[in-house]
Amino acid sequence: EPEVTQTPSHQVTQMGQEVILRCVPISNHLYFYWYRQILGQKVEFLVSFYNNEISEKSEIFDDQFSVERPDGSNFTLKIRSTKLEDSAMYFCAAFGERGTDTQYFGPGTRLTVL
Amino acid sequence: AQSVTQLDSHVSVSEGTPVLLRCNYSSSYSPSLFWYVQHPNKGLQLLLKYTSAATLVKGINGFEAEFKKSETSFHLTKPSAHMSDAAEYFCVVSDGTGFQKLVFGTGTRLLVSP
Repeated sequence: EPEVTQTPSHQVTQMGQEVILRCVPISNHLYFYWYRQILGQKVEFLVSFYNNEISEKSEIFDDQFSVERPDGSNFTLKIRSTKLEDSAMYFCAAFGERGTDTQYFGPGTRLTVL
Repeated sequence: AQSVTQLDSHVSVSEGTPVLLRCNYSSSYSPSLFWYVQHPNKGLQLLLKYTSAATLVKGINGFEAEFKKSETSFHLTKPSAHMSDAAEYFCVVSDGTGFQKLVFGTGTRLLVSP
């Protein structure tokens, strides 16, 4: 089965610090997503990305968050100044043709903000 | 807007007995529906998906789900539970825009006792 990978698996940071979470999607996938799951809660959509621009973002995705795909392979989520409430599992997901494929999830990055 | 409601936060079964995890959906479009499984400290794995083909969908590990439009339901079943089925199960609907933003239910934790 195709695999989306994410690094790091676990990131611990101090409040106010910047973090970058990385995702390597499957090579032929065109649509990319970030979701997060706060401990004990449901998975929430953050942002979708297509053709090198954000196609949709949730209300969670404020000015502290940004995404990019700088080199055509890695897909990154940056949090500029982390808050305690940013502590969560962050999942990257990707899929290919519109309406014809399955959304594949990475294993997640557990972000802990102290 | 799309939404899913998972009717049980926890389901407990004995090994070898049937599993039923309930999900109702709300959608303005003809929905795509999914079940994902999350084992402890693991990522999200697709169990099965419905995308307007056959209403009875078979997935991995012996799971299946039936799409019932009249009841707006997409319940997940398995004839005989195995200890390894213990996990969190998420019913998911896509938003129908073609970008397939996923909307997750709150999850059902399946407990399997010997």
